Amino acid sequence: DPKIIQKPKYLVAVTGSEKILICEQYLGHNAMYWYRQSAKKPLEFMFSYSYQKLMDNQTASSRFQPQSSKKNHLDLQITALKPDDSATYFCASSQGQGRNNQAPFFGEGTRLSVL
Amino acid sequence: GDSVTQTEGQVALSEEDFLTIHCNYSASGYPTLFWYVQYPGEGPQLLFRASRDKEKGSSRGFEATYDKGTTSFHLRKASVQESDSAVYYCALRTMQQGTGSKLSFGKGAKLTVSP
Repeated sequence: DPKIIQKPKYLVAVTGSEKILICEQYLGHNAMYWYRQSAKKPLEFMFSYSYQKLMDNQTASSRFQPQSSKKNHLDLQITALKPDDSATYFCASSQGQGRNNQAPFFGEGTRLSVL
Repeated sequence: GDSVTQTEGQVALSEEDFLTIHCNYSASGYPTLFWYVQYPGEGPQLLFRASRDKEKGSSRGFEATYDKGTTSFHLRKASVQESDSAVYYCALRTMQQGTGSKLSFGKGAKLTVSP
């Protein structure tokens, strides 16, 4: 059974539009994250949440807005899409964020293409 | 900021060859170090981690030893198989007061093992 569900798996959008990437985790974790992977850059941290509270934001643009409606949900809203936003977006989760806590577990990603 | 420098690009080997993928890190304090593996169309999967000097992490025949003196965490496997073909990422986890933790990844090494 999938432990982290990301929907959709593939997404094509036009420049200027808005999309929401869905992430649900069924691991009972209290920390969730978004990472981005593009052809030009390695896996890149975007956001972290703990108990539905934003802990860290390393995304320069306010066009990226995480949304946590439930403890096990962390969606990512992207507005005014640009071709440079084309990437695979990975949701991850872990039990806590402390030094001795487990490594983040990653979903399979949403591959976004902006035309 | 904290960062990881690893062997990048393509690594081509034949079955039963010895594998080394180098990883060096730059971080303040005492980061936790990880090796992740990523197969096509999937998210990164944890191979193993280490959190203190001289600690050895291992899984599926892969191993790496945390060396604080040389700031390294090199991945090694004595005899690779075709099924080991994947992208390998070295990562470190940094923590800051108030912002929790995040992973910083290297650029990845794509291992291709031919029969």
